[in-house]
Amino acid sequence: GAVVSQHPSWVICKSGTSVKIECRSLDFQATTMFWYRQFPKQSLMLMATSNEGSKATYEQGVEKDKFLINHASLTLSTLTVTSAHPEDSSFYICSAREGEGYQSYEQYFGPGTRLTVT
Amino acid sequence: AQRVTQPEKLLSVFKGAPVELKCNYSYSGSPELFWYVQYSRQRLQLLLRHISRESIKGFTADLNKGETSFHLKKPFAQEEDSAMYYCALSGMDGNKLVFGAGTILRVKS
Repeated sequence: GAVVSQHPSWVICKSGTSVKIECRSLDFQATTMFWYRQFPKQSLMLMATSNEGSKATYEQGVEKDKFLINHASLTLSTLTVTSAHPEDSSFYICSAREGEGYQSYEQYFGPGTRLTVT
Repeated sequence: AQRVTQPEKLLSVFKGAPVELKCNYSYSGSPELFWYVQYSRQRLQLLLRHISRESIKGFTADLNKGETSFHLKKPFAQEEDSAMYYCALSGMDGNKLVFGAGTILRVKS
């Protein structure tokens, strides 16, 4: 089946630094990738949608200059948290979708990345 | 606005008992509804979606447009069903998933 990986699985960084999280589709080409954020004991909140080769579409309230998303290839999307602050500490999850259109709804989820900003 | 409501944070049942995880939604068009499951220490995975009308691991869910509900049911719960269950919705373009808050299902022996 379709597998999505994330790297790193957890990261600790100091306040003010930037951290990059990678999301890879291992056995399929992902035309669209999604980035979610999950706070403890809360649901997943979509942050942005990225399509290969184009700019990401951010959800309302998500700072695009703070959460930089790059989808440079059909198998890789990256999320960079710039100038991280403790309130950015969270669980970040990516998902990838293989195709487009009505018949290709299924999103395959990565295992998530735990970010702790000290 | 798109919204998914799962009213129960925790549902605890005994093994062999019936299970119903409730999900109600709000959407102006024709939505696609999904149930995702997350077992302990595992990633989120799709359990079922309404367009496929499948029964996965004994679970079924029927879309009731009149009641705007998509409840997940299983006639006889098993211990291995213990997990977090999320109901989710997307539009017909399938481009954005909106998740409910999730319900923890605990099946006791």
